[in-house]
Amino acid sequence: AQRVTQPEKLLSVFKGAPVELKCNYSYSGSPELFWYVQYSRQRLQLLLRHISRESIKGFTADLNKGETSFHLKKPFAQEEDSAMYYCALSGTGGFKTIFGAGTRLFVKA
Amino acid sequence: ETGVTQSPTHLIKTRGQQVTLRCSSQSGHNTVSWYQQALGQGPQFIFQYYREEENGRGNFPPRFSGLQFPNYSSELNVNALELDDSALYLCASSADRYNEQFFGPGTRLTVL
Repeated sequence: AQRVTQPEKLLSVFKGAPVELKCNYSYSGSPELFWYVQYSRQRLQLLLRHISRESIKGFTADLNKGETSFHLKKPFAQEEDSAMYYCALSGTGGFKTIFGAGTRLFVKA
Repeated sequence: ETGVTQSPTHLIKTRGQQVTLRCSSQSGHNTVSWYQQALGQGPQFIFQYYREEENGRGNFPPRFSGLQFPNYSSELNVNALELDDSALYLCASSADRYNEQFFGPGTRLTVL
């Protein structure tokens, strides 16, 4: 079954601390993995995708096929990183995107 | 460049009624995907339209149907509304089937 699991509903860290949002997936094949973010009162938007191998707003994510994980990391959290984060995958054919339930990140001053 | 817009913003219906939600895709985009997001959950894929044809469908019953028009705007129709249909409905457009999706603000549907 195709599934994306985000084990933490809420993650609270202090400003300047490292942050890691966990994402595990289940998919038989070669999926494309994404992280989406939704800031307060804003639309859902793409943060990064694994094929781009980019660092966006200081965030990186590495696809680990052995552990079927795609954790999102940032070495020093900022208050403006507080948002809802969704991990998602798109499989063969690309048209269907499966989202996890999301993790709310709260960065405390 | 105009972003993705959705109408209406909010809607209240009663069980058994029918509803139509609308989405205007971003300029230059030919693909629209629809998602249902229940409270506390991530978006769930309903279906995608590419150049006016349905290009894939998630696990939703046939009473969820859609259309895409020549200008690539789209409609989501839901018949025989059930209480569990209460959710935020998101549409997302992209320049092609596999490109980055740009989301609209959503339509909040409440079924009483």
